[in-house]
This record gives sequence, structure tokens and C-alpha cells, in this order.
Amino acid sequence: EIVLTQSPATLSLSPGERATLSCRASQNINTYLAWYQQKPGQAPRLLIYDASNRATGIPPRFSGSGSGTDFTLTISSLEPEDLALYYCQQRRNWPCTFGQGTKVEI
Amino acid sequence: EVQLLESGGGLVQPGGSLRLSCAASGFTFGSYAMNWVRQAPGKGLEWVSTISGSGVDTYYADSVKGRFTTSRDNSKTTLSLQMNSLTADDTALYYCVKSTAHYGTYDFWGQGTRVSVSS
Repeated sequence: EIVLTQSPATLSLSPGERATLSCRASQNINTYLAWYQQKPGQAPRLLIYDASNRATGIPPRFSGSGSGTDFTLTISSLEPEDLALYYCQQRRNWPCTFGQGTKVEI
Repeated sequence: EVQLLESGGGLVQPGGSLRLSCAASGFTFGSYAMNWVRQAPGKGLEWVSTISGSGVDTYYADSVKGRFTTSRDNSKTTLSLQMNSLTADDTALYYCVKSTAHYGTYDFWGQGTRVSVSS
């Protein structure tokens, strides 16, 4: 099973600041990585797929990068509504696995 | 607009059974794999099961293999999860999730149905 390790566990920033979230895979997953946002009390929402492609309707302040084992989700300028948990997830191998999440506090 | 509406959750005793359903609309249901993903209280996301668009192929997490069965009715655009031999570890919010053209990317999520296993 591929293990995804996210860091940091919590990120505390102010509106307008840049947020950088990391996800490291225990083995090479090429670019088969997605990022999801889960706001309090809501279902997750797809933000980024295949490492760097924004999903439909996702604002351009969200961007993804990386390949192999190291990946980054960047929020270029934080908005108050970006308060959420962010999960990475790989589809390179079964079972699909998720990271443990990074909490972004505004 | 894609809609996924789960139902069937509730409180069940250890060793009991429960059947979850998901009513889907707003897309060509039979063209996409569907999934169940769960989230235990205060915990992260855990993939549970995937079923191909045709329903021929199914995949399960080791933690539920042999106890859970996923099925679909493309004529009724519904997804089901039969859960048997439930334990406390199965307590979670269960999400019905649509895949993109790639099995392992999840583009639409329902709001979830809660399953609690307790005596």
C-alpha cells in the first residue's frame, strides 16, 4: 500500500498570504495525485487532479505541482473561505490511499 | 447538475448488517465507475470500494473484503453497499462518490450517510 504523508499537520496564516502544502508518497506515483478540500461539515471537493490540473470551477489561486514522490498544493493568496482540511490522494496503485490531511487555519 | 443522495445509514449492533443506497442523477450513470469512501468520526478519508460502470468489476479495501458487497443498477441509476458482520471500526460517514474517466479520481461526492455500530 502506498502511504502518503502530508505536512504540516496545521498551517496558520492570514488572508492574502501564500499557503504551501506538501504531500510525500512512499513510492513513485508519477503524477497520479489529486488534492481535495473539505470544509467543516461538508463533503470533500476535488481541487486538483493528476498533480497539476485544476478541476472544473476551482479558482486559479489553487495550483498543484510535483511528480514522483513529492507534491505541493499552493494557495497563492488565502481567502477566509479557504479554511478547510486538505487531503492528497493517489491512484497509482490499488488501494487508492489518502494522506492524513493538512488543516489550514485563517 | 450531478447529484448523489445517500440513504440507509443508522445505528446497528456489532455483527449486524446494513444496506446503503445512493441515488444518482445529472450524468450518464453507467458510463462511470462509482465508489464508497468513508470517514470515521474526527478521522481522515478511507477508500472502501469501487465498482466499474458496467458493474462487472468490483474492488474492495482489505478492511472490508468478504464483508461488504457493492452493486449497481444502471437502469435505476442507483449504487448500493451491503455491509455484513459490522464492527465498531466500521462506524463512519459513508460517501457515495463518482469517478472521473479515471477510476481513482473522485469528482463528485454525496453528503454522506452515517453508520454507527454499537451495542
